[in-house]
Amino acid sequence: AQSVTQLGSHVSVSEGALVLLRCNYSSSVPPYLFWYVQYPNQGLQLLLKYTSAATLVKGINGFEAEFKKSETSFHLTKPSAHMSDAAEYFCAVSVRQAGTALIFGKGTTLSVSS
Amino acid sequence: GAVVSQHPSRVICKSGTSVKIECRSLDFQATTMFWYRQFPKQSLMLMATSNEGSKATYEQGVEKDKFLINHASLTLSTLTVTSAHPEDSSFYICSASGGVNTEAFFGQGTRLTVV
Repeated sequence: AQSVTQLGSHVSVSEGALVLLRCNYSSSVPPYLFWYVQYPNQGLQLLLKYTSAATLVKGINGFEAEFKKSETSFHLTKPSAHMSDAAEYFCAVSVRQAGTALIFGKGTTLSVSS
Repeated sequence: GAVVSQHPSRVICKSGTSVKIECRSLDFQATTMFWYRQFPKQSLMLMATSNEGSKATYEQGVEKDKFLINHASLTLSTLTVTSAHPEDSSFYICSASGGVNTEAFFGQGTRLTVV
């Protein structure tokens, strides 16, 4: 079975600081990995996705993530946090092609202080 | 990206009544739609997968007679919560995909409150 573990339910950073949100996955077959952002009472917006191409994936809003098979990780980073980055972030995995159902991690709340 | 519209965004209903939530793909044909449920401060849990013209496939533990899913066209899927109870109060989110190897796009979610 596939699963996703997000380490840290809450991460707090200062504006301008590095953002690092951790995600580890478990899968017996090559996974497709996703990061989504959710603002209060809204749906999900795709930040980026890994689909077996380049291991370093660049997404929207300055976010990027690196797929590390040896560590079964797909951590999300952003060099400099903005106040507008404060939201809930979900890592998700699909072991089939894109466009299929996703298994989500429990989410990480990112707080950004000025 | 493509647009998926979910309606209503918020609904309050009385216990024992039924509520219908619509999920529409506005600018693409969605051969597959997914329904997720999200409890407060928790992750999204897949409830069911529906393919256009077929019966939905429900995840283990999801009552198919309580959560009726219809995907009668390539642009519309509906989730009906029948005989709603307060424990059904939750945030329901749909996503739609145009097929294998195409991204699934999410609706904006529906906040259901059963009183």
